[in-house]
Amino acid sequence: ETGVTQTPRHLVMGMTNKKSLKCEQHLGHNAMYWYKQSAKKPLELMFVYNFKEQTENNSVPSRFSPECPNSSHLFLHLHTLQPEDSALYLCASSHGGLPSYEQYFGPGTRLTVT
Amino acid sequence: AQKVTQAQTEISVVEKEDVTLDCVYETRDTTYYLFWYKQPPSGELVFLIRRNSFDEQNEISGRYSWNFQKSTSSFNFTITASQVVDSAVYFCALSEERGAAGNKLTFGGGTRVLVKP
Repeated sequence: ETGVTQTPRHLVMGMTNKKSLKCEQHLGHNAMYWYKQSAKKPLELMFVYNFKEQTENNSVPSRFSPECPNSSHLFLHLHTLQPEDSALYLCASSHGGLPSYEQYFGPGTRLTVT
Repeated sequence: AQKVTQAQTEISVVEKEDVTLDCVYETRDTTYYLFWYKQPPSGELVFLIRRNSFDEQNEISGRYSWNFQKSTSSFNFTITASQVVDSAVYFCALSEERGAAGNKLTFGGGTRVLVKP
């Protein structure tokens, strides 16, 4: 595997379900990110991890819970979601946490909440 | 607060035509970084270019070129002799110098480019 991978690619879940999104980067990067892309809003940064430490939580509701066990893996745990949480969730990584580094994105998980 | 505006939501061209995508940004920082990304139908954002605020030289990479003008806070992107494979959504993004606090990209709303054969 190369680059940034995300699983699953598609997910349909009910409002009472619990599921997790997985992201893995094979680039040797130290920073990882979760973004939300919905039809009616620009790409929104959700969380930033730098060397496994969370450095940014962009006022994300607690029904989204990130986990970064190491610099290569990032999870997004989902529970009691709302229909408006349906979106494309993108994971990204960068060499470091500095703003000069470009981010590399995975293909995303298309989430539908019913 | 930083902001990125891409006023064109969709552009449709015929193959071999040139297309220019506009990007206007707002920031209070003197040091910042601008990016362009391409999002094909597969969904993955593909990094195209990074420009820092101290480097106003225009850049050309194959059929792609970028025009950075600090005086107008713009970072426009031109595709020359467009091809069907250029059909995608293109995003302009900005990050400010925040030290070790982390890399926080602010994206514009994106411009959908449709190249017809």
